[in-house]
Formats: sequence, structure tokens, C-alpha cells
Amino acid sequence: DTEVTQTPKHLVMGMTNKKSLKCEQHMGHRAMYWYKQKAKKPPELMFVYSYEKLSINESVPSRFSPECPNSSLLNLHLHALQPEDSALYLCASSQDTGTGGAAGYTFGSGTRLTVV
Amino acid sequence: TQLLEQSPQFLSIQEGENLTVYCNSSSVFSSLQWYRQEPGEGPVLLVTVVTGGEVKKLKRLTFQFGDARKDSSLHITAAQPGDTGLYLCAGAKDSSYKLIFGSGTRLLVRP
Repeated sequence: DTEVTQTPKHLVMGMTNKKSLKCEQHMGHRAMYWYKQKAKKPPELMFVYSYEKLSINESVPSRFSPECPNSSLLNLHLHALQPEDSALYLCASSQDTGTGGAAGYTFGSGTRLTVV
Repeated sequence: TQLLEQSPQFLSIQEGENLTVYCNSSSVFSSLQWYRQEPGEGPVLLVTVVTGGEVKKLKRLTFQFGDARKDSSLHITAAQPGDTGLYLCAGAKDSSYKLIFGSGTRLLVRP
């Protein structure tokens, strides 16, 4: 299995809703990531998990809450989002190597989130 | 501040033409990767380069890492409509897991 699977593919939520994005990989990768991508822009890093521990939080607002229940799963819990949070949310994973990102990332297809 | 600048931002060419995309930075990267992303999908890794001066070929695509590991280029020979997409360079610094994406180059190859 060489894929990163993200669910749901599309999500529409109101500003008072609570929802979760899910990401799963079975490649044995020990680093997992959440990225946010606005239209016609490159992906922007949100969170990095290494060995199921949060290692990087790029000053993301607390209305986004990541969780890594085990080495294969990564969740992003959403609460009280704003319309400007509408974007493509991408999950990625990579091997744990001494050269960090040199192993290359495997990305999921993303969740297209619309906040109304 | 964008650490990795790509040029051009947009390129529209005829099938069969050659093109080069550039990725430049004032920072040194331990490795640099190129991805292609199609609409509604996640980026797909094309190549990783780690050694200054390294050249890698992937069919009609040639990737080069600058000697000082601050820049890279992607050359496509005889472009095809299937090459259409957003091309992203991304750099990793030291042993950090943090991958920094370039500003992106949107390529359109017309039949």
C-alpha cells in the first residue's frame, strides 16, 4: 500500500459546527503532516507529527486541533471555523530518516473544505 | 517572505516545445524535491535531489540541483498535454521534517 487516504473528499460546514478530517497511511511512515492550500497557492505547513508526537505547530489558530491516535492515523479536528478557512487540506507522510524531508512526501488527495 | 521563488509563474506552450522552470533561493537546502499537482488532487513527488550539482532524468524531465544547493531547475523536452499541471519545488533544511514549498509554476501544454 503506497497511498495516503483522506476522508471526506469534500466537506461543507457551518461556522458553529464541529467536524474532523481523517488521514490514514500504511507505509510505515513515522512522520505525518497537515498542509493547507488556498486556490492558486502552494501548500502551507500547519502541523508535523513525528513518532506520533507533535513536533511542529506553525502558529495555527486553536480552532484547528490535530490528533495522532497511532502511527497510521492523523486527524484534524475543526471547531468554530471562519469562511476564510475554506481551502484544500492535505495530509502527507514521509519516512523517518536522518535527512528529514529528503525521503520525499506522499500526499493524499486532500479534503476540499468550505465554511459557510 | 517566500523562501523559494519559482519562475515563470505561468507558462502556456504548444505540444512538442521545450521548457525550463526555475526554483531559486538565498538559503541552502539539504535536499530539494519537485512535485506535480493536478486540480483537486494532492502533489505527486517527481524527484528528490540531495547533492550539489546533481542531475536526474525522468523520461523527458531533467532535474538539476545547483552546486551551492540554493537553486534547482526542471527542464521538459517535447512537452505533451499530459504534462499540464502545477509544478512545485520544495526544500528541506538540515534534518528538519519541515518542507518549504516554492511559489509554483502553472504549466499548460496546448495540443
